[in-house]
Order: sequence, then C-alpha cells, then structure tokens
Amino acid sequence: NAGVTQTPKFRVLKTGQSMTLLCAQDMNHEYMYWYRQDPGMGLRLIHYSVGEGTTAKGEVPDGYNVSRLKKQNFLLGLESAAPSQTSVYFCASSYRDRGRGYTFGSGTRLTVV
Amino acid sequence: AQSVTQLGSHVSVSEGALVLLRCNYSSSVPPYLFWYVQYPNQGLQLLLKYTSAATLVKGINGFEAEFKKSETSFHLTKPSAHMSDAAEYFCAVSSMNYGGSQGNLIFGKGTKLSVKP
Repeated sequence: NAGVTQTPKFRVLKTGQSMTLLCAQDMNHEYMYWYRQDPGMGLRLIHYSVGEGTTAKGEVPDGYNVSRLKKQNFLLGLESAAPSQTSVYFCASSYRDRGRGYTFGSGTRLTVV
Repeated sequence: AQSVTQLGSHVSVSEGALVLLRCNYSSSVPPYLFWYVQYPNQGLQLLLKYTSAATLVKGINGFEAEFKKSETSFHLTKPSAHMSDAAEYFCAVSSMNYGGSQGNLIFGKGTKLSVKP
C-alpha cells in the first residue's frame, strides 16, 4: 500500500547514545516533515524538507539533525540522546500544494533512559 | 501568522449523542483547514478538509465540518457517536497562498474524545 513508512517502531536508548530514524514515502511527495508528539503539547515540527538536498528548521530543532539525500527518504538523527527527547516521533509527507493534506507514518516510540 | 485553538482537551459523550469538537483559527489569508483523527498507538489520518469549495465538508465515518469565515471557526460534528469514534482529533490550518514554510500546516493541541456506552 502506498504511504509513509517509519522504522523502527520502538526504541530504547541510553543517555548519550545516537540513533537515526528512517522515513520513506512512495507517493512522490515533494515535502517531508518530522514531528514529535508529547502529551498535552500536540504535534511540534522538528525539521522539514521542501526537496531533495534541502532541509529547514521547525519549531523544536535543537538536538536533532536531518538529511534528505533521496526524494523518497527523510532521516532524523539524534547525536547524543537526552531524556527530554523521550517522545513519539511522526514523519509526514505532502505535495507542494498543502491543500491536499499530509500523509503520516505510524510513528516511532522512543524512550531515553 | 496563523494559529489554531481547539476548545477542550477532553470531550466525553454518550453513545448515540451528538459529537461537537470546536476549532477556531486565525489567518490573514484564505485558509486551508483540516481535521485529522488519531486512534491509540497509530498515526494521524485525514478526516476531512476545506479548500475553498463548499463550506460544509463531509468526511469519513459520518463526520462533517462547516467553515464559518465570520466566526473563524471550523467545528467538527457527528450526529450520533459510536464507540469506535473514541480517539484524539486534531484541527490544522494552512495557507492557500504560500509555499515553503509559510504553507506548513499548523496543528491544534488536540481534543481527546471519549464515548460512554
């Protein structure tokens, strides 16, 4: 089925460890996004990309890096994980015309201990 | 700048009762408006959207929303709640006129709907 696939679905990290979350979409969407979701905070945009090779900061970028080497993939990296980064992470993608809405992945639940 | 306010972080209704989830937005340009639903341990799924056609928009699972420009509102309704409607609902706004970051969707903080038997 066409859509947005996130890997892994669950991960537990120790403070200071690094990891990369992978997002892949097969809808030929130009734009891709990384969000974190925390109770009572809604969705907060971490980084986004408007095309291959381009990325931009969102609302809460500190502690994260991203890369978009291929149009269909958007990677989110944590270089040195902190307990404050415990969250559920969602990837989304869209056409340039945001009126068509976003398609979301099923999320990655990350716990940093 | 655009913003979205969802009134009520939790709403509880009885099965068969009317569902009303409130969303107010601010936007200096014509908006796109969306409602998304998130079932437990899942991603967000598009429920319905307003993109300047009919002001009354029908979505999946019997939900609908009405765009009221004078009230800057886009409330979500369903005539009769079902147990399967229990989920978190997010309202979002974007701009029709902007590309890049200015066109990014802005999400409300969500309303968790509980349905009592």
